[in-house]
Amino acid sequence: DTAVSQTPKYLVTQMGNDKSIKCEQNLGHDTMYWYKQDSKKFLKIMFSYNNKELIINETVPNRFSPKSPDKAHLNLHINSLELGDSAVYFCASSSQGSTEAFFGQGTRLTVV
Amino acid sequence: GQQVMQIPQYQHVQEGEDFTTYCNSSTTLSNIQWYKQRPGGHPVFLIQLVKSGEVKKQKRLTFQFGEAKKNSSLHITATQTTDVGTYFCAGRSSSGYALNFGKGTSLLVTP
Repeated sequence: DTAVSQTPKYLVTQMGNDKSIKCEQNLGHDTMYWYKQDSKKFLKIMFSYNNKELIINETVPNRFSPKSPDKAHLNLHINSLELGDSAVYFCASSSQGSTEAFFGQGTRLTVV
Repeated sequence: GQQVMQIPQYQHVQEGEDFTTYCNSSTTLSNIQWYKQRPGGHPVFLIQLVKSGEVKKQKRLTFQFGEAKKNSSLHITATQTTDVGTYFCAGRSSSGYALNFGKGTSLLVTP
């Protein structure tokens, strides 16, 4: 059983399109995150949700809209995709203040 | 906001050599975590350090947390090709909601 699962694993799309990435965790965690990893491997936090509520929004363009229908899910919708959005997006979860964060397998987004 | 700096960015060693990566924070950390990401993979938790001056070992890996809780290091003794990957330190914000990662150190081990 995969603890944190993301779909799709790969996403190739044209500029200007709208796309969504889904994330689900079965660990019972109350906090979920989205991270963006660029080509230089830098892991930058985008959003953090706790109990379905947005806690952190790290200067991410408003083309990115996270949605958390329940504690186990955190989806990411991206409007009007741009070339610079190409990256690997990781979903992660943890219990607030606990030790480790568990990461999904990542979604490699390529905008052409 | 909290910034976590990590050096070096890259390290290339011969198998059997030692390796160290260093992490520094602009603010005092409540704890620090270390993760490893294999090529093409996702970050995987290695360890968490909480106490000032704490030292923990996992086989050939030694983790240290500075006395001021602003810096940390990961040392690998006698590297193996299985150690290849990117090692990240991460500091948790005081609120507990954000986990801010350093830029990582990519380790390449040549047989």
